[in-house]
Amino acid sequence: DAKTTQPPSMDCAEGRAANLPCNHSTISGNEYVYWYRQIHSQGPQYIIHGLKNNETNEMASLIITEDRKSSTLILPHATLRDTAVYYCIVSGSYGGATNKLIFGTGTLLAVQP
Amino acid sequence: SAVISQKPSRDICQRGTSLTIQCQVDSQVTMMFWYRQQPGQSLTLIATANQGSEATYESGFVIDKFPISRPNLTFSTLTVSNMSPEDSSIYLCSVWGGLANYGYTFGSGTRLTVV
Repeated sequence: DAKTTQPPSMDCAEGRAANLPCNHSTISGNEYVYWYRQIHSQGPQYIIHGLKNNETNEMASLIITEDRKSSTLILPHATLRDTAVYYCIVSGSYGGATNKLIFGTGTLLAVQP
Repeated sequence: SAVISQKPSRDICQRGTSLTIQCQVDSQVTMMFWYRQQPGQSLTLIATANQGSEATYESGFVIDKFPISRPNLTFSTLTVSNMSPEDSSIYLCSVWGGLANYGYTFGSGTRLTVV
């Protein structure tokens, strides 16, 4: 079973920041938090990942709480092309039986004009 | 990140037949995975393809139905055997690790319709 809980859907106005929450209360000390998105009919696209510290790249920012039990993906200026299903996944990163991504149901983000 | 080529991109098959899907990566990778995405659903991991040995299957998936090969570090195949309409799904290859890879990368998938 997936180890994360996400809201099934969210709306966001174009140009505004989209904040997508994720709960992962059973995360282990060596597990990373990954975010992927899937635009209709395409393969999942990597967005960002982190272990403890907040991370930022050209696509998004990832805020992980100090206890690591939850995180938030932030798309700073959402566009219509950001409409997709966003998946929050926890997984180990260095081989072995835990080195695989188990997808939950994700959050359908609808960016509105 | 690694570039993945999946073939075929789509196919329509008769029930009772088998289809082999190919996954080719442009660089050597450590791990290769196969997923299924049924209509309107999330992705479900079928198995981890192990180089030179039998794949590791997730609960609910068996080798007789989904035989997998991985002869080297850049190539894997998934066969969907004795197909039924319930096998109509998108099948995706994913890779991890290797010099040219960052995180997990996914192919664009094979859309399979069984009639």
